[in-house]
Amino acid sequence: EPEVTQTPSHQVTQMGQEVILRCVPISNHLYFYWYRQILGQKVEFLVSFYNNEISEKSEIFDDQFSVERPDGSNFTLKIRSTKLEDSAMYFCASSRGLAPLQETQYFGPGTRLLVL
Amino acid sequence: AQRVTQPEKLLSVFKGAPVELKCNYSYSGSPELFWYVQYSRQRLQLLLRHISRESIKGFTADLNKGETSFHLKKPFAQEEDSAMYYCALSGGSSGSARQLTFGSGTQLTVLP
Repeated sequence: EPEVTQTPSHQVTQMGQEVILRCVPISNHLYFYWYRQILGQKVEFLVSFYNNEISEKSEIFDDQFSVERPDGSNFTLKIRSTKLEDSAMYFCASSRGLAPLQETQYFGPGTRLLVL
Repeated sequence: AQRVTQPEKLLSVFKGAPVELKCNYSYSGSPELFWYVQYSRQRLQLLLRHISRESIKGFTADLNKGETSFHLKKPFAQEEDSAMYYCALSGGSSGSARQLTFGSGTQLTVLP
């Protein structure tokens, strides 16, 4: 069964550094998402992406964040200048469509980001 | 604004006992509700969605619009049901990729 994959599984970075988190969505899916979960807190929506543009974004997704689909398979989340509070588990998800029964979001295993 | 509340952080039951994980939501439109499960060291995966009205692994959930609830139930819990359960609501602009709003999760432990 196809799955969403994410790399790396863990990333440690210094405050102020740029990080890029990578995701490979399921191949016939058209909608892509990033979520994050700070330790002990809820899973929070960051951004959704369709047809090579951002569809929706949350208040968390400020100018420090960007997303890109650089080729036919990868979907990336870039944090330009990391802050301590960006430490979290970042989940990528994808869905096939928007119609009922097509919009189920399938999640990747996550990337644990630690900002020192 | 949309919100999902799971009042129980931890829930323990004995094997064979009924289990109910509570979920209440707040949403002004017509919601679509999901239950996701995360077993130890595994990814979030869909357990069931209200629109399918299906039963997965013996779990069911009924959307009660009057009480704005979507409680997850199973008549006889098994040890392998031990996991973190998240209730989630799908909403957003019509026609756009819709974000999921998650509850804080309930850690279910089924004791032998």
